[in-house]
Amino acid sequence: DAKTTQPPSMDCAEGRAANLPCNHSTISGNEYVYWYRQIHSQGPQYIIHGLKNNETNEMASLIITEDRKSSTLILPHATLRDTAVYYCIVRVNTGNQFYFGTGTSLTVIP
Amino acid sequence: NAGVTQTPKFQVLKTGQSMTLQCAQDMNHNSMYWYRQDPGMGLRLIYYSASEGTTDKGEVPNGYNVSRLNKREFSLRLESAAPSQTSVYFCASSEWLTGDRETQYFGPGTRLLVL
Repeated sequence: DAKTTQPPSMDCAEGRAANLPCNHSTISGNEYVYWYRQIHSQGPQYIIHGLKNNETNEMASLIITEDRKSSTLILPHATLRDTAVYYCIVRVNTGNQFYFGTGTSLTVIP
Repeated sequence: NAGVTQTPKFQVLKTGQSMTLQCAQDMNHNSMYWYRQDPGMGLRLIYYSASEGTTDKGEVPNGYNVSRLNKREFSLRLESAAPSQTSVYFCASSEWLTGDRETQYFGPGTRLLVL
């Protein structure tokens, strides 16, 4: 019962913006969209989250479409250290669970 | 602050052996979680604890038990290990269980091999 859909892999040139898409067409009105990343089998690292409005922090920007059915994580100037698996997560209303899915494997190329 | 710590880092068990994975957090968080991650897959929730004294099943609880020892510590026990439990186990914590303030912070993981 997938809650989010992400491309399995993407490449990005170092220094360019990395745009990672996510579809969450069944999202409910009060469910947040979270983004985490996992670098080389380390513990996942929180990046950003949002409900309706676009969000920005020191790591990334999150663009959520007006209908909230999809979002894009933007890493403005990708570096080699941003190579990781990126997970788009919608918290399920019941069960208090984060469904991580398989994420997008981002490779930043020198 | 150390954040979320897990012990041990690595463990090899024989089928049928038991063991307890330990997790502690120093962020005064109320909620704690145990996940497993199999090769090439995302994380799956095993158990969680909304607050001290409470625990609930996640997506894949069979074969595991948990104890929320106090606010800081949340342990995961395998009573009779099976090869299917070979995985990487991650512990996480968050300030609260629901709502906007649910950012989860993860430990470094325990790599378990069951022969």
